[in-house]
Amino acid sequence: EAEVAQSPRYKITEKSQAVAFWCDPISGHATLYWYRQILGQGPELLVQFQDESVVDDSQLPKDRFSAERLKGVDSTLKIQPAELGDSAMYLCASSPRDRDSYEQYFGPGTRLTVT
Amino acid sequence: KNEVEQSPQNLTAQEGEFITINCSYSVGISALHWLQQHPGGGIVSLFMLSSGKKKHGRLIATINIQEKHSSLHITASHPRDSAVYICAVRSSQGGKLIFGQGTELSVKP
Repeated sequence: EAEVAQSPRYKITEKSQAVAFWCDPISGHATLYWYRQILGQGPELLVQFQDESVVDDSQLPKDRFSAERLKGVDSTLKIQPAELGDSAMYLCASSPRDRDSYEQYFGPGTRLTVT
Repeated sequence: KNEVEQSPQNLTAQEGEFITINCSYSVGISALHWLQQHPGGGIVSLFMLSSGKKKHGRLIATINIQEKHSSLHITASHPRDSAVYICAVRSSQGGKLIFGQGTELSVKP
């Protein structure tokens, strides 16, 4: 069964360092989402791509976060510089199209700890 | 106040008990999702519904659009049901998913 792949699964970094996460969605899925989940809370959307275009990045802290999906397939989320408050689970999800009838399929997540 | 509220936040049950998790929302929606998250982070979609009731195995999800309320029921609970259950609604204004804070369920043998 096809799955959303993410790497790394765990990342520990010092504050002020740069960190990057990678996501490979299910083949053929046009819509890709990056979420941040702080411990004890539900996920929060950071950025949504439709193919290679950003559809929604209203909650992305653009002073330090960036995301790209250059060829409309895999995607990278970067934080530079990392801050202590960035410690969280970063989840990637994909769906065939962003329509009501399509569910989102989540990857295993990357757990980031900033020290 | 959060747009999606779940109750309870934590729940401990004995194996075999009937479990109910509630979700209330304050926005207009086009669909509601129930998700399961195991320790380690992976999220699995359990149900997506916009009206009525759905059943899958021991899991039942219901939604009352007029009351803006949904429930997830687990019959004959088992320790392997231990997980965080998350309610998420797809907003009819903009279409993005809005997540509840999750309900952490622990089923004891």
